Amino acid sequence: RKEVEQDPGPFNVPEGATVAFNCTYSNSASQSFFWYRQDCRKEPKLLMSVYSSGNEDGRFTAQLNRASQYISLLIRDSKLSDSATYLCVVSQRAGNMLTFGGGTRLMVKP
Amino acid sequence: SQTIHQWPATLVQPVGSPLSLECTVEGTSNPNLYWYRQAAGRGLQLLFYSVGIGQISSEVPQNLSASRPQDRQFILSSKKLLLSDSGFYLCAWTGQGNQPQHFGDGTRLSIL
Repeated sequence: RKEVEQDPGPFNVPEGATVAFNCTYSNSASQSFFWYRQDCRKEPKLLMSVYSSGNEDGRFTAQLNRASQYISLLIRDSKLSDSATYLCVVSQRAGNMLTFGGGTRLMVKP
Repeated sequence: SQTIHQWPATLVQPVGSPLSLECTVEGTSNPNLYWYRQAAGRGLQLLFYSVGIGQISSEVPQNLSASRPQDRQFILSSKKLLLSDSGFYLCAWTGQGNQPQHFGDGTRLSIL
């Protein structure tokens, strides 16, 4: 079993749609959680951290369920510019060691 | 503010040639530094990480090596490249505590 699992997609959605990505992780001792965005042939960029109480940044909402070892990202009112691969990232142990999921590809169509 | 620089952006090398990729961080001290590789259409694989000068940990066996000669400099090397070394190489840094990592622009390496 992979340490961090994501549906690879692609998710093809129209502009304005709401889309949700899910991620599961295997290590119950994981400490920190993040969503990164990666555009084609570019480096990953931090989208947002994920907090236990859930957090929102504009059109983006992240949720964490420690009991189920499950993380989600909700994007509302999708824009063309949201098209990218979204990486679920988990800190597996101390020392800032991150484990990346394989990513979920999103394509927003006009 | 902190910045990370990685070069070159692209590199085409013949099989068996040596490699040296450099990464530097500005605006911080004693960062944790990381080298990743991403094969086409695949996820990120951690190759090396360093918590201080001269301290290198390897995550996977391979013909690559890493060095940290200065606090904010991280170098990825190989004496003889293999075809399987092709990929997108990313350097990243983070501060202390459970902070997210920040990536350089990456080096796209093609082996011929």
